Amino acid sequence: AQSVSQHNHHVILSEAASLELGCNYSYGGTVNLFWYVQYPGQHLQLLLKYFSGDPLVKGIKGFEAEFIKSKFSFNLRKPSVQWSDTAEYFCAVNPPDSNYQLIWGAGTKLIIKP
Amino acid sequence: GAGVSQTPSNKVTEKGKYVELRCDPISGHTALYWYRQSLGQGPEFLIYFQGTGAADDSGLPNDRFFAVRPEGSVSTLKIQRTERGDSAVYLCASSAYGGVVDTQYFGPGTRLTVL
Repeated sequence: AQSVSQHNHHVILSEAASLELGCNYSYGGTVNLFWYVQYPGQHLQLLLKYFSGDPLVKGIKGFEAEFIKSKFSFNLRKPSVQWSDTAEYFCAVNPPDSNYQLIWGAGTKLIIKP
Repeated sequence: GAGVSQTPSNKVTEKGKYVELRCDPISGHTALYWYRQSLGQGPEFLIYFQGTGAADDSGLPNDRFFAVRPEGSVSTLKIQRTERGDSAVYLCASSAYGGVVDTQYFGPGTRLTVL
């Protein structure tokens, strides 16, 4: 079955460490890609998205993601994390056969130690 | 302005009972989505409304699930004869026009527990 995979379910880092969260998908064709974040006690909110153009996308709060078509990946990165980045991060893919459906990964819980 | 709201925030019910979950989207948003999020999983698409009509209900798991949006704003997700496997967080999202280019804004969710 076609899917979205986030291989790291839990990540623990110290402040100032660099972050990379993996996201892989199995859809062929043109996809649109998203990262959402859910801070403790808050709603899901959009972090960044990729539709076309420059495969390196910058989002809010210093996050960026790189689309590598050949690897079917859209990894999320941040050079130096802060305690306030503690949250759950979800990768989502809009598959080629829909213009509104999002298929979601299982999420990665990120804990930043102060 | 006000975001997406959902009521109740928590619902505990017994197996076999009927439940209704409500979503108030952002005012003026024509598109509304329902998702279900089981423990340890990402959201799973249930249904998409464009205005008053269900444009896509292909994610509803079976005929026990039904959703309405009679006036194109508030939506109600209805679950008949609840089962323990229906326990999950039910999320609602709205967007201004619909379509993937349009950012979806999520509500806080309703945590449904079926005993």
